[in-house]
Amino acid sequence: ETGVTQTPRHLVMGMTNKKSLKCEQHLGHNAMYWYKQSAKKPLELMFVYSLEERVENNSVPSRFSPECPNSSHLFLHLHTLQPEDSALYLCASSPIRGPLGNEQFFGPGTRLTVL
Amino acid sequence: DAKTTQPPSMDCAEGRAANLPCNHSTISGNEYVYWYRQIHSQGPQYIIHGLKNNETNEMASLIITEDRKSSTLILPHATLRDTAVYYCIVRVWDDKIIFGKGTRLHILP
Repeated sequence: ETGVTQTPRHLVMGMTNKKSLKCEQHLGHNAMYWYKQSAKKPLELMFVYSLEERVENNSVPSRFSPECPNSSHLFLHLHTLQPEDSALYLCASSPIRGPLGNEQFFGPGTRLTVL
Repeated sequence: DAKTTQPPSMDCAEGRAANLPCNHSTISGNEYVYWYRQIHSQGPQYIIHGLKNNETNEMASLIITEDRKSSTLILPHATLRDTAVYYCIVRVWDDKIIFGKGTRLHILP
């Protein structure tokens, strides 16, 4: 596979469930990102990892917990979510942090529905 | 990051050039202009970026005014598959890509 892949593509979960979203990039990039896109709202940056170290956390509630075990994989662990957390969750990667290398490549997203 | 202003929507006839404007009047000297697009139900797709000079790649051309306060993305021969929301973004060295509302481009058959 090439590019950025995300699994699952669709997820329905209850508020008491625990689930994880997975992102994998096959581009040899060193930076990875999680974004949230709610209906009729702009994309919101959630987390940034550079060389497997979290470098950005945009005031995201603790019910979202990211994990970056290596530069190719990024997870978003979900627990006790709220219905308003229903959204499209997008993963992206870029070669390096910074302007010259940060053409970010996005995955197809996971459409999450919280019941 | 500088803010950008884009029209909420535009129409373009299939086969014609689509010219999408973007105003970024407060852009600073070290900020780049990036364009992304998002086709319905897909993740955003990088199109092109530039600093001062005009840029062209296989997807589009980017024209940046001399004062850098505005730019235009040009899709030379629009097709129905170019129907998407187009985002103009300016940013410095840090990682944040702050997506605004973009321009919803409708390609008309």
